[in-house]
Amino acid sequence: NAGVTQTPKFQVLKTGQSMTLQCAQDMNHEYMSWYRQDPGMGLRLIHYSVGAGITDQGEVPNGYNVSRSTTEDFPLRLLSAAPSQTSVYFCASKTGLASETQYFGPGTRLLVL
Amino acid sequence: KNQVEQSPQSLIILEGKNCTLQCNYTVSPFSNLRWYKQDTGRGPVSLTIMTFSENTKSNGRYTTTLDADTKQSSLHITASQLSDSASYICVVSLMDSSYKLIFGSGTRLLVRP
Repeated sequence: NAGVTQTPKFQVLKTGQSMTLQCAQDMNHEYMSWYRQDPGMGLRLIHYSVGAGITDQGEVPNGYNVSRSTTEDFPLRLLSAAPSQTSVYFCASKTGLASETQYFGPGTRLLVL
Repeated sequence: KNQVEQSPQSLIILEGKNCTLQCNYTVSPFSNLRWYKQDTGRGPVSLTIMTFSENTKSNGRYTTTLDADTKQSSLHITASQLSDSASYICVVSLMDSSYKLIFGSGTRLLVRP
């Protein structure tokens, strides 16, 4: 199993540009989520999904969209990038909402100029 | 307010020495407490998960403790190695329908030869 994979590893955007961060898992996990990690702060939940076709907002959803058309993929879209979205983004998955063990991807480092 | 606080923020120790990292939480209702290790440029990896009734858990040279009465946890690293250099993150899970994870900001450990 590849586990949780994310692409790209690193991206530079200009303010106002849009882009999609890709996340895929091959463990047949129902629950997937997106976090952002900023210096000196804990990971914060952006959006999550409890299964294909179902998504919900986390703690900091503004400026981001998600969709879950398949169990494997959970892309995160930045509609109009802002410098405040400069961060490291992690995708994670687990078997279910109440499951204890969560697996994280390697992260995408995003710089918005 | 649900919070997880970790101390110290950063720590430098010599290879072979032991160290203890602290985590205090004010999270209710409490489900479980997890410790993650995050290497630079990588996603967090689970070390241990402890429920309310568990006082201690080990994973190799890593031993975690939980005092649910005082709402404190610790991560003890024995005979540190250079590869232990990483950030260690304490995470508490809520026991409600959201199963939300509350992340601490982490302790950055540097092990020097």
